Amino acid sequence: ETGVTQSPTHLIKTRGQQVTLRCSSQSGHNTVSWYQQALGQGPQFIFQYYREEENGRGNFPPRFSGLQFPNYSSELNVNALELDDSALYLCASSGYSGPAPSTDTQYFGPGTRLTVL
Amino acid sequence: AQRVTQPEKLLSVFKGAPVELKCNYSYSGSPELFWYVQYSRQRLQLLLRHISRESIKGFTADLNKGETSFHLKKPFAQEEDSAMYYCALSEYDSWGKLQFGAGTQVVVTP
Repeated sequence: ETGVTQSPTHLIKTRGQQVTLRCSSQSGHNTVSWYQQALGQGPQFIFQYYREEENGRGNFPPRFSGLQFPNYSSELNVNALELDDSALYLCASSGYSGPAPSTDTQYFGPGTRLTVL
Repeated sequence: AQRVTQPEKLLSVFKGAPVELKCNYSYSGSPELFWYVQYSRQRLQLLLRHISRESIKGFTADLNKGETSFHLKKPFAQEEDSAMYYCALSEYDSWGKLQFGAGTQVVVTP
């Protein structure tokens, strides 16, 4: 069983650019959640994907968007980057091949550190 | 609105002493509550969840709905308990959408 992986590990962008972060969910998981963790803060929920559909969103603007693919891997896209977008971005997967989003434990990836200059 | 409050940013304890990490939440429904831990250079991982009523690595946490608290306790701290601890809440009908507190850094000194 492979764990949650994220790429890239680190990324540096300039203000106004766009970025795509990637997440491979743990084997057998169909739900992926994305979190933003600013320095000194706890993770903040961005959105969740279940079976390729967005299944809930936190208090983030529309320039944060995502995708989930048939193999349940996921992307987080951020347009028009701002300095405050500098953070660690975490994805977490959970679930199994059931009919509804799982309440199972979430397993976190190592994160992608995004720096916006 | 901030749902989860962890009042202590840093908790320093001696090995063998009891440790208690405070967590208070604001939610009128039936929450599911968790403690997550992040050891140095490792990823965030679940320590325990209230619904399981388990004791993990000697830690326990009791949900007190009257005081809206979910404090984490261990009677005898070990050096390997040094880590960052996050309390998190999931609202009813929003399973898996975790709301985290700001975290408490625990340092256990010999």
